[in-house]
Amino acid sequence: DTGVSQDPRHKITKRGQNVTFRCDPISEHNRLYWYRQTLGQGPEFLTYFQNEAQLEKSRLLSDRFSAERPKGSFSTLEIQRTEQGDSAMYLCASTVPPTYEAFFGQGTRLTVV
Amino acid sequence: RKEVEQDPGPFNVPEGATVAFNCTYSNSASQSFFWYRQDCRKEPKLLMSVYSSGNEDGRFTAQLNRASQYISLLIRDSKLSDSATYLCVVPQVGRALTFGSGTRLQVQP
Repeated sequence: DTGVSQDPRHKITKRGQNVTFRCDPISEHNRLYWYRQTLGQGPEFLTYFQNEAQLEKSRLLSDRFSAERPKGSFSTLEIQRTEQGDSAMYLCASTVPPTYEAFFGQGTRLTVV
Repeated sequence: RKEVEQDPGPFNVPEGATVAFNCTYSNSASQSFFWYRQDCRKEPKLLMSVYSSGNEDGRFTAQLNRASQYISLLIRDSKLSDSATYLCVVPQVGRALTFGSGTRLQVQP
């Protein structure tokens, strides 16, 4: 499978715990995006990378969220001290300029209890 | 004004109907536009790309109106399987891909 893959697909965690998600983009795609989506809403932008450089972070992203893409390939998104409001689907997408056609992974569904 | 705005719907239409959604955008410099389809609890999937005035693919037509800064998606002869949420995306050079909140379509038998 050469599509975008995300791991895990589902995560249930207790409030206050840290969680980390992984995204493996399509291999030749140098741009990688993270989004968060709650029911009935469109994907909300969190951050994006071009190769290993993090180019933009949403102003809505609290300090508890951090993302890395150390070698310009896979990326991780960490949420520290999770809160119930963090419960959502976390989506990863990749693209390659000049086209901006994004391909999404199946997402990681986070439930904070 | 939001960067990308869509009517959330839902649009409830009978099978065989023609339905159209609009998406307005704020950045007049945007050069490319996309419609994605998202089924319930699934990831968005690319439906159509628009790089000039419009694009057509079977029953689906996307049109761009630069003067009024909106793109539209027209679905002819609606099928039950067209029921989904349709997301508009307007990339900006050097910026992230911004999604609209989506328009929900429910095609009824």
